[in-house]
Amino acid sequence: QKEVEQNSGPLSVPEGAIASLNCTYSDRVSQSFFWYRQYSGKSPELIMSIYSNGDKEDGRFTAQLNKASQYVSLLIRDSQPSDSATYLCAVFSGGSNYKLTFGKGTLLTVNP
Amino acid sequence: NAGVTQTPKFRILKIGQSMTLQCAQDMNHNYMYWYRQDPGMGLKLIYYSVGAGITDKGEVPNGYNVSRSTTEDFPLRLELAAPSQTSVYFCASTVGQGAYQPQHFGDGTRLSIL
Repeated sequence: QKEVEQNSGPLSVPEGAIASLNCTYSDRVSQSFFWYRQYSGKSPELIMSIYSNGDKEDGRFTAQLNKASQYVSLLIRDSQPSDSATYLCAVFSGGSNYKLTFGKGTLLTVNP
Repeated sequence: NAGVTQTPKFRILKIGQSMTLQCAQDMNHNYMYWYRQDPGMGLKLIYYSVGAGITDKGEVPNGYNVSRSTTEDFPLRLELAAPSQTSVYFCASTVGQGAYQPQHFGDGTRLSIL
């Protein structure tokens, strides 16, 4: 059973701080990794993807991948109240068909 | 620019009733997926399709059926609704096969079975 684990939170940070969200996965041959943001009552929206070891930056968001440790993280700099949402980690583990495995998500609250 | 459209947005069913959740995409995507999301949980794959006429089971297919007669449409059928099927259902699509194709989600259908 391929698993993706996330701390369910809630993670609470003050406005302007760095929020750090973590995800571990069990399948060593996982190929690609995605972070989705989901506001309450809404559908998931893709905010970051990362495929190789290291960091990938996009605006205030940085994704970090360490395949040896089977660990992927998302950093949100200068956190805003509008960043308050559930963040879902999703992992693609290859095979003949494209299927993602999602973690349960981490609820982030940014306090003004 | 519609993307992935799901109907209805909300529905209440009685135990034992049946219904079809509709999903349509206008992006000419070959791959389509149905997920369910229970409170505080991630998304669980119910069924997926790699093209018209081809479907396969995901993690939690029991109690559901699908068909894919066109590229655009991928309906999900509940034959005998049970309280355990109360959930939020999301349809998604991707342009093709591969590790680097992000999924595009519809707005979801919130289904309650009483």
